[in-house]
Amino acid sequence: QVQLQESGPGLVKPSETLSLTCTVSGGSITSYYWSWIRQPPGKGLEWIGYIYYSGSTNYNPSLKSRVTISVDTSKNQFSLKLSSVTAADTAVYYCARLRPNPFDWLIPYYFDYWGQGTLVTVSS
Amino acid sequence: QSVLTQPPSVSGAPGQRVTISCTGSSSNIGADYDVHWYQRLPGTAPKLLIYGNTNRPSGVPDRFSGSKSGTSASLAITGLQAEDEADYYCQSYDSSLSGVVFGGGTKLTVL
Repeated sequence: QVQLQESGPGLVKPSETLSLTCTVSGGSITSYYWSWIRQPPGKGLEWIGYIYYSGSTNYNPSLKSRVTISVDTSKNQFSLKLSSVTAADTAVYYCARLRPNPFDWLIPYYFDYWGQGTLVTVSS
Repeated sequence: QSVLTQPPSVSGAPGQRVTISCTGSSSNIGADYDVHWYQRLPGTAPKLLIYGNTNRPSGVPDRFSGSKSGTSASLAITGLQAEDEADYYCQSYDSSLSGVVFGGGTKLTVL
């Protein structure tokens, strides 16, 4: 059974960089896409971006200028960095495994495994 | 403003049938990209409920079913139970954004 666990600071100051890591267990990271999703308080889910184990990435256009997702296959981990954060970036951040479209591996399909989520608050 | 539109809330009595709609456009659902549904129980991570418009992962009761037509999709829940009270989200791919899109979520209340 694949399991994902987010880790990182729960409090980040405005204008600084939010950094989170997702550790994958029960399966290898060297397959599928790996993604970050967030949910601000009282709002819906927002896709942040995803990475393939080879390192190719795709980001939400609304966040693209501030987001970097990287992968460390030796540790079975992938990470999120979100720069220049504001209070609007306060959210529960989830990491998830993203399956590709079975007919076109370049197209993302659905999220089948999720981490429990971690609340990140942006405040001074 | 979510790319996919869902009603903010729906409700039903135990045993009843409810449906949740998910409306998109010609660059996502209407472009024949599949729709997937997630259930988020209070305080927990989202759980995959339906994938590929109509398919249920192992362990999901057959009370849950999905459908898709044109630029919309629907999630139907029959035999409503108190444990079904949760937030439900639809998700697809958008070719204009070249990425994943979610609906705004629908809160299901079991009366």
